[in-house]
Amino acid sequence: ETGVTQTPRHLVMGMTNKKSLKCEQHLGHNAMYWYKQSAKKPLELMFVYSLEERVENNSVPSRFSPECPNSSHLFLHLHTLQPEDSALYLCASSQSGLDGGNEQFFGPGTRLTVL
Amino acid sequence: GQNIDQPTEMTATEGAIVQINCTYQTSGFNGLFWYQQHAGEAPTFLSYNVLDGLEEKGRFSSFLSRSKGYSYLLLKELQMKDSASYLCAVTDSNYQLIWGAGTKLIIKP
Repeated sequence: ETGVTQTPRHLVMGMTNKKSLKCEQHLGHNAMYWYKQSAKKPLELMFVYSLEERVENNSVPSRFSPECPNSSHLFLHLHTLQPEDSALYLCASSQSGLDGGNEQFFGPGTRLTVL
Repeated sequence: GQNIDQPTEMTATEGAIVQINCTYQTSGFNGLFWYQQHAGEAPTFLSYNVLDGLEEKGRFSSFLSRSKGYSYLLLKELQMKDSASYLCAVTDSNYQLIWGAGTKLIIKP
């Protein structure tokens, strides 16, 4: 595997379900990100981890819970989601955090549908 | 508030040149990125500008004017595969990355 991978690619869940999204980067980067992308809207940065520590949480609802066990893996735990949470969830990584002017490498995303 | 403006959609002809504009109002400036995103795929990095001027990279060039809060992405010799969304993003003084909504570029034969 190369680059940034995400699983699953598609997920349909009910509002009472609990699920997790997984991201793995094979680039040796030190920073990882979760984004939400809704149609015709700007990318919304949800969480930033640098060296496995959370450095950014842009007022994301608590029904989204990130976990970064090491610099290569990032999870997004989901529970009691709402239909408006349906979107494409993108993971990205970069050499260093946002203060480095480094390009971000994105995974293919997980298309989430909440029924 | 912080804001990135870019046209929602543009149409151009194969073989032609197109310029996609991006204007920004942010609290400070620490660089501007352009990304390309094909439908159903991940965004991929195109360019990064932090100083004024033109950066050329093959058929793609990116220009920045910090005093005007303005950038453009210039695509030459358009090919059908250039049909995609083009995202402008600015890093502000707190190193927050602010994204535009993207410009969908449609290339016609």
